[in-house]
Amino acid sequence: DTGVSQDPRHKITKRGQNVTFRCDPISEHNRLYWYRQTLGQGPEFLTYFQNEAQLEKSRLLSDRFSAERPKGSFSTLEIQRTEQGDSAMYLCAYRTASSGNTIYFGEGSWLTVV
Amino acid sequence: QQQVKQSPQSLIVQKGGISIINCAYENTAFDYFPWYQQFPGKGPALLIAIRPDVSEKKEGRFTISFNKSAKQFSLHIMDSQPGDSATYFCAASIGTSGSRLTFGEGTQLTVNP
Repeated sequence: DTGVSQDPRHKITKRGQNVTFRCDPISEHNRLYWYRQTLGQGPEFLTYFQNEAQLEKSRLLSDRFSAERPKGSFSTLEIQRTEQGDSAMYLCAYRTASSGNTIYFGEGSWLTVV
Repeated sequence: QQQVKQSPQSLIVQKGGISIINCAYENTAFDYFPWYQQFPGKGPALLIAIRPDVSEKKEGRFTISFNKSAKQFSLHIMDSQPGDSATYFCAASIGTSGSRLTFGEGTQLTVNP
């Protein structure tokens, strides 16, 4: 039980196509994060939301990436015009009001761009 | 610029032995240092974490040692078991920055039976 559900878990897409990943918190999490992890590397921060407000975006988040969290519940991460370099695992993570600085990760969504 | 450096990249230990993974950080504003364990195909799972006001924290077989003056911290896994075989990541965050984590490069631990 990771506290968030991610969908799809695996996605194979052709270069140039758009893809969207969804993250559903199991319960209320005030802060929700997106990270990207490539093979053999640690996760890298992309963006985070406090409720519905997107408070910070990494420079890694190019113009082809957009994230939303309508109504402060689920969140989506869209990648437009995918490139082979986008192949990675996209991790949703959360922090609750009672968890302090602790961030918990979901199972991730694997993207392969061919 | 890598703000958190982790070593070794890979580690092989015999069952029952001690696994030691080291991390060094540059940003003195970091004030929270977690370790995550990740199995293939899974997301990272929080293992143990420490704040700089203590030098050591122990939870079961896992211990974090923290050296603030050297800007280093390490994970010790006592009585290592084959089930501990995974990739371990150290991380750091600043409490006022939304707590976003900066990760090390990871250590692939193999515990031989």
